Amino acid sequence: RKEVEQDPGPFNVPEGATVAFNCTYSNSASQSFFWYRQDCRKEPKLLMSVYSSGNEDGRFTAQLNRASQYISLLIRDSKLSDSATYLCVVNKPRNNDMRFGAGTRLTVKP
Amino acid sequence: DAGVIQSPRHEVTEMGQEVTLRCKPISGHNSLFWYRQTMMRGLELLIYFNNNVPIDDSGMPEDRFSAKMPNASFSTLKIQPSEPRDSAVYFCASRAEGGYTFGSGTRLTVV
Repeated sequence: RKEVEQDPGPFNVPEGATVAFNCTYSNSASQSFFWYRQDCRKEPKLLMSVYSSGNEDGRFTAQLNRASQYISLLIRDSKLSDSATYLCVVNKPRNNDMRFGAGTRLTVKP
Repeated sequence: DAGVIQSPRHEVTEMGQEVTLRCKPISGHNSLFWYRQTMMRGLELLIYFNNNVPIDDSGMPEDRFSAKMPNASFSTLKIQPSEPRDSAVYFCASRAEGGYTFGSGTRLTVV
């Protein structure tokens, strides 16, 4: 089983749609969780951290479910500029380095 | 803050040649990571330094790959000899607390 698994998509949605991505992780001892965004031919950039209580940043909401070992990202009222690949990131407890999922490709269409 | 600086941005080399990729982390960040990204395999961690000391190099593909961090402000990733299957984007990232900051990457093509 991969350490971090994501649905690769692609997700093709119209502007204004709500879209959700899920990510599962294998190590129950993981403590830090993040969502990164990567645009085509660019480096990954931190979108938001994921906290146990869930957190929201504008149109973006992140949730953590420790019991089921998954995290989610919800994007409301999607914009054309949201088109990108979204990477789920989980820390590896022993070394505290980060493991990346393969990413979910989102395309928002007019 | 200039961010994580990588060089070169692009490298095209012939099979068998030595390739050296360079990274300058953000000042004050004590952890540095080298990743490789391909369409087939996504982002793979190659090696991880903490306070200039290699902590985990289990992701380094084989002996052709080596990485050094002689001081807190500089790291290199070397491939010798290079092979076409090494073609990928190589990212360096640094971290203090929380998430990583990535450099812009080096796009390596080995022909």
